[in-house]
Amino acid sequence: DAGVIQSPRHEVTEMGQEVTLRCKPISGHNSLFWYRQTMMRGLELLIYFNNNVPIDDSGMPEDRFSAKMPNASFSTLKIQPSEPRDSAVYFCASSFGGQGASDTQYFGPGTRLTVL
Amino acid sequence: AQTVTQSQPEMSVQEAETVTLSCTYDTSESNYYLFWYKQPPSRQMILVIRQEAYKQQNATENRFSVNFQKAAKSFSLKISDSQLGDTAMYFCAFMKRPDDKIIFGKGTRLHILP
Repeated sequence: DAGVIQSPRHEVTEMGQEVTLRCKPISGHNSLFWYRQTMMRGLELLIYFNNNVPIDDSGMPEDRFSAKMPNASFSTLKIQPSEPRDSAVYFCASSFGGQGASDTQYFGPGTRLTVL
Repeated sequence: AQTVTQSQPEMSVQEAETVTLSCTYDTSESNYYLFWYKQPPSRQMILVIRQEAYKQQNATENRFSVNFQKAAKSFSLKISDSQLGDTAMYFCAFMKRPDDKIIFGKGTRLHILP
């Protein structure tokens, strides 16, 4: 059974460019989470979806960040325009449940983003 | 707001030894889950063990076990017969119910020495 799939695994871009990160959750899971990991701030939850609906986006740093989940098997996190301080590892995780009934979250391999 | 504190930024032990990683948390809630995640150099986040707060019995998974002290708000991880593959960053995490959000500690970097 495939785990959470993220692409690309590595992304290097220049400041001002648009970046799109992609995630395919585990089949059957109905909650999806986007995290950012940096040395300074550790692991931070950016946004999470339940049944394709955004439930909590309070962790999204600013308007440059947006996330979508058009269907149960795909989500994107977009940064436009990107800045050097966005450099981090971005994780996607999924779980079954949601709305107070989520089970354990399973993480993807992460995307290492470098903004020059 | 809930907080998770891991007081040991880094630890080293010899292979085959037993090591305990500390974690404390602060909450006024009674219904919550606690987790330990492992992040090896590959950076993949791997669930090690999970504990439901309403269960008094400590969770175990093979060589991994926890000491859950609810009154003290302590959730330590014990690794028995440590192996080189246990070298990783270990994160303690808290999930308040009915929320689905996880709050992570800053992590403990564990080195298993040959």
